[in-house]
Amino acid sequence: GAVVSQHPSRVICKSGTSVKIECRSLDFQATTMFWYRQFPKQSLMLMATSNEGSKATYEQGVEKDKFLINHASLTLSTLTVTSAHPEDSSFYICSARDFRDSNEKLFFGSGTQLSVL
Amino acid sequence: QQQVKQSPQSLIVQKGGISIINCAYENTAFDYFPWYQQFPGKGPALLIAIRPDVSEKKEGRFTISFNKSAKQFSLHIMDSQPGDSATYFCAALISGTYKYIFGTGTRLKVLA
Repeated sequence: GAVVSQHPSRVICKSGTSVKIECRSLDFQATTMFWYRQFPKQSLMLMATSNEGSKATYEQGVEKDKFLINHASLTLSTLTVTSAHPEDSSFYICSARDFRDSNEKLFFGSGTQLSVL
Repeated sequence: QQQVKQSPQSLIVQKGGISIINCAYENTAFDYFPWYQQFPGKGPALLIAIRPDVSEKKEGRFTISFNKSAKQFSLHIMDSQPGDSATYFCAALISGTYKYIFGTGTRLKVLA
């Protein structure tokens, strides 16, 4: 299957600092990527949809100024958690939509565990 | 109703047994139904998927059964192994969009 690479896998930062998470589609072009947040033993919570070359679409209740998303190329989307606080500590996962040959598939990155001290 | 209801929440199966996870939906605009497997600390991995024009799809030990009239679909894991112990999510894609709706997940534990 297609590979989506997400980095870093784990990050610990001090409160008030910003953290950038990268999501890359390695063998296909992804015009649409998604960012999720997952709390322990819970399902995936969609935060925003990242569209190449345009502004991201945020889900209700997600602060766009806090969670900055940039999708500058067809293979890279980044999520920056600005002025991180302990309540932002969570598991963040990206996914990329693969629509080659008109076959719809959604592939996920390996996730980033963010711990804000 | 853009919900996908998944059950059970957790499941314990003996090695070699069959694991069955069920999902139900109400929105008839869903037209693609994938299943994902997630190990702790990792992102979900696409296991198998089905479209509503097919009633069953099998890939190795994994089978999706789809009942369009009942708006239900299920994942069957045959000959379950301890390595299958993970959390499984069903999902549904809204036709004409790229929006996926995920189930709440099922934590499967296969006993050795």
